[in-house]
Amino acid sequence: AQSVSQHNHHVILSEAASLELGCNYSYGGTVNLFWYVQYPGQHLQLLLKYFSGDPLVKGIKGFEAEFIKSKFSFNLRKPSVQWSDTAEYFCAVIPDSNYQLIWGAGTKLIIKP
Amino acid sequence: GAGVSQSPRYKVAKRGQDVALRCDPISGHVSLFWYQQALGQGPEFLTYFQNEAQLDKSGLPSDRFFAERPEGSVSTLKIQRTQQEDSAVYLCASSSNRNRGAWNEQYFGPGTRLTVT
Repeated sequence: AQSVSQHNHHVILSEAASLELGCNYSYGGTVNLFWYVQYPGQHLQLLLKYFSGDPLVKGIKGFEAEFIKSKFSFNLRKPSVQWSDTAEYFCAVIPDSNYQLIWGAGTKLIIKP
Repeated sequence: GAGVSQSPRYKVAKRGQDVALRCDPISGHVSLFWYQQALGQGPEFLTYFQNEAQLDKSGLPSDRFFAERPEGSVSTLKIQRTQQEDSAVYLCASSSNRNRGAWNEQYFGPGTRLTVT
């Protein structure tokens, strides 16, 4: 069965630290890849997405993610985090031209001021 | 409204009660999805509508779960004879894909937190 793994359930960083959240998926075919973010008390919202083309994708609020097909990975990065980045981050995948989002378990990120 | 809305935001039900959860998608959005999110987990797909047609209900965990979207806009997820394991956040999302096979971003509502006691 297709699955998405997020390596860390909780991450605590200080402001200005660099961030990398891991995401791996298990599917051998074409995939569409997403990172969603849920700020405290708010809806899930799309951070960035990859369909095709340049494997380095830039999203909102200075986030980026790199698709490495050979590693089945789509890690999320930000060079310098802010307190306002405190949130839960979800990696999700749609295999081929399907429509079902398959989700990771999420990573809770806490930024210490 | 501008976004996806869901009601109620919170629901407490006694075991065995029936509940109905409502989703108002973004106006004009063709596709509508329901997800279940248990505590500490990512969302899991329940069912998918394209307009009023329920094209996929493979994620519904039992025959106690039923979803409908009779006029292709508002959708209701009904859970009969609720059990404790049904306690979760139920998320609704909509997207505007109009072209067959195309995919567009899913916009999420705030969810309904269901607690079964």
